[in-house]
Amino acid sequence: EPEVTQTPSHQVTQMGQEVILRCVPISNHLYFYWYRQILGQKVEFLVSFYNNEISEKSEIFDDQFSVERPDGSNFTLKIRSTKLEDSAMYFCASSDPAGDTDTQYFGPGTRLTVL
Amino acid sequence: GEDVEQSLFLSVREGDSSVINCTYTDSSSTYLYWYKQEPGAGLQLLTYIFSNMDMKQDQRLTVLLNKKDKHLSLRIADTQTGDSAIYFCAESNYSGAGSYQLTFGKGTKLSVIP
Repeated sequence: EPEVTQTPSHQVTQMGQEVILRCVPISNHLYFYWYRQILGQKVEFLVSFYNNEISEKSEIFDDQFSVERPDGSNFTLKIRSTKLEDSAMYFCASSDPAGDTDTQYFGPGTRLTVL
Repeated sequence: GEDVEQSLFLSVREGDSSVINCTYTDSSSTYLYWYKQEPGAGLQLLTYIFSNMDMKQDQRLTVLLNKKDKHLSLRIADTQTGDSAIYFCAESNYSGAGSYQLTFGKGTKLSVIP
């Protein structure tokens, strides 16, 4: 069964450093998403992406964040200058617009630790 | 804005039924979802229900939707120790250009006692 994959599973970085989190969505999906989950808190929507542009972004997704689909398979989230409060689990998801629902399938997540 | 609420903990004995409850606020949600998260793992889609349905059954899982009260529940029959996990309720909201944004509850941690 096709699945969303994410790398790395765990990323440790120093405050102020740039990080790139990578995702490979399900191959025939066209909508891509990033969510994050700070420890002990809700899973929060960050951004949705379709047709090589951002469809929607939340208040969390400020200028420090960017997304990109650099090739036909990868979908990346870049945090330009990490802050301590960026420490969280980051989930990528994708969905198929031709499906009968807008069901989003999630990857296993990348745990980002900012020191 | 949209909000989804769930109780945080539920403990049941193996073999019993588990019922996890959720309330949501956005009456325009098209679909409502249940996701399962095992320790250290990602969000696994369990099941979903379309907003014009009252009930959906999928093997041991039964989803009940009371649209008037904006109440969603997930019943797990014959709960097993492998069902121990955090269960997230989520509502989907159209966010434009064909994409949907999920709003999650905090998750209910289900503990199954052998």
